[in-house]
Amino acid sequence: EDQVTQSPEALRLQEGESSSLNCSYTVSGLRGLFWYRQDPGKGPEFLFTLYSAGEEKEKERLKATLTKKESFLHITAPKPEDSATYLCAVQAEVSSYKLIFGSGTRLLVRP
Amino acid sequence: NAGVTQTPKFRVLKTGQSMTLLCAQDMNHEYMYWYRQDPGMGLRLIHYSVGEGTTAKGEVPDGYNVSRLKKQNFLLGLESAAPSQTSVYFCASSYGVTIRTQYFGPGTRLTVL
Repeated sequence: EDQVTQSPEALRLQEGESSSLNCSYTVSGLRGLFWYRQDPGKGPEFLFTLYSAGEEKEKERLKATLTKKESFLHITAPKPEDSATYLCAVQAEVSSYKLIFGSGTRLLVRP
Repeated sequence: NAGVTQTPKFRVLKTGQSMTLLCAQDMNHEYMYWYRQDPGMGLRLIHYSVGEGTTAKGEVPDGYNVSRLKKQNFLLGLESAAPSQTSVYFCASSYGVTIRTQYFGPGTRLTVL
């Protein structure tokens, strides 16, 4: 069964303290892995799409990487405005219309 | 561009009442989706559409119906609301199968008493 697991569930960081969020997946043929940011009371906001192992993408303080079993979202020198829930989702070859979401990691960055 | 918009933002229903949630997108996307988000469950796909006039069932379709009469609009209906349908509902759209990124609306918070 296709599955996505995110860890940790919650993460507290001091401003400037770099860390990583993990997304482990089991899927029958990966078409794409997606990272979203979700602020309270709002819809998920697209961050990155990764298509193949070894691929990396960056945006400001965020960097996403992909292996055959997992993806990491690295946050370098985070700021309080990076506080949000980060969602990971995968799209399988068999059901290309469907995204399978993890439960997310709630990130809190304290000043 | 407004992107994906949803109406209403909030709604409270009594058990057995019906309602329709409206999703609109101005990006000329072919695919549209309805998800529900519940604490600890992640986002789950209710129904989706691969083009005007088409709809299909997702992961949790029971109790919901959808229609896509126009390419830019995707409607989600609840014929007889139940407390188990209390949730936050998100609409999303994507260009198509080859360009796969889904873009989400702001959500509708529905409470069924």
